[in-house]
Amino acid sequence: DVQVTQSPSSLSASVGDKVTMTCRASQDVRTSLAWFRQKPGKVPESLIYAGSTLQSGVPSRFSGSGSGTYFTLTIDSLQPEDFATYFCLQYYFFPFIFGQGTNLEIK
Amino acid sequence: EVQLVEAGGGLVQPGESLRLSCAVSGFTSSDYFMDWVRQAPGKGLEWVGRIARKLGGDDRAYAASVKGRFTVSRDDSNNSVGLQMNNLQIEDTAVYYCVRSPLGNVFDIWGQGTMVTVSP
Repeated sequence: DVQVTQSPSSLSASVGDKVTMTCRASQDVRTSLAWFRQKPGKVPESLIYAGSTLQSGVPSRFSGSGSGTYFTLTIDSLQPEDFATYFCLQYYFFPFIFGQGTNLEIK
Repeated sequence: EVQLVEAGGGLVQPGESLRLSCAVSGFTSSDYFMDWVRQAPGKGLEWVGRIARKLGGDDRAYAASVKGRFTVSRDDSNNSVGLQMNNLQIEDTAVYYCVRSPLGNVFDIWGQGTMVTVSP
């Protein structure tokens, strides 16, 4: 199976900061990578698919980039609702594999 | 309104079976890829399985941890998707989410989830 590694596992930042987190796949997954945000106690929400395509309705402060084995999710000007856990998902190979998550905390 | 509503979760003993359902509204499930994703208490997300849209022949795929025990199905008459879970194990304890995936790559709509607890 493809391994998917997110880093860092946790991140502290303040409202208004810009943050970047990464997702690495053990094999080339082309651009078949998605990002999700999960607020505490809530259902995951889709942010990005195809590596860099913003899901409809998602604020433009979110952006994704990358292809192959290295991907990033950047959040410009953090808002209070962005303090949550973020997961990436490779969907090029079956079985699909999620990263273990990056927990974004308020500094 | 586009919506997914899961049902069927509950408490079962190891080795028992359970069937989850995902009621679809606002779109026709057979036009979309549909996935099941689970989340054990306090843990991350795990993809469980998928059924392709009818145009793709209803192909199915599963995580290694559930292959041979779980089956994803579709009920076109009720516009719903199901997850039959057999020989449940303690490690199957999780919230199970139904997810819509247009073209197989978008994962845009998630249900609220249904809790499955497997305990002796």
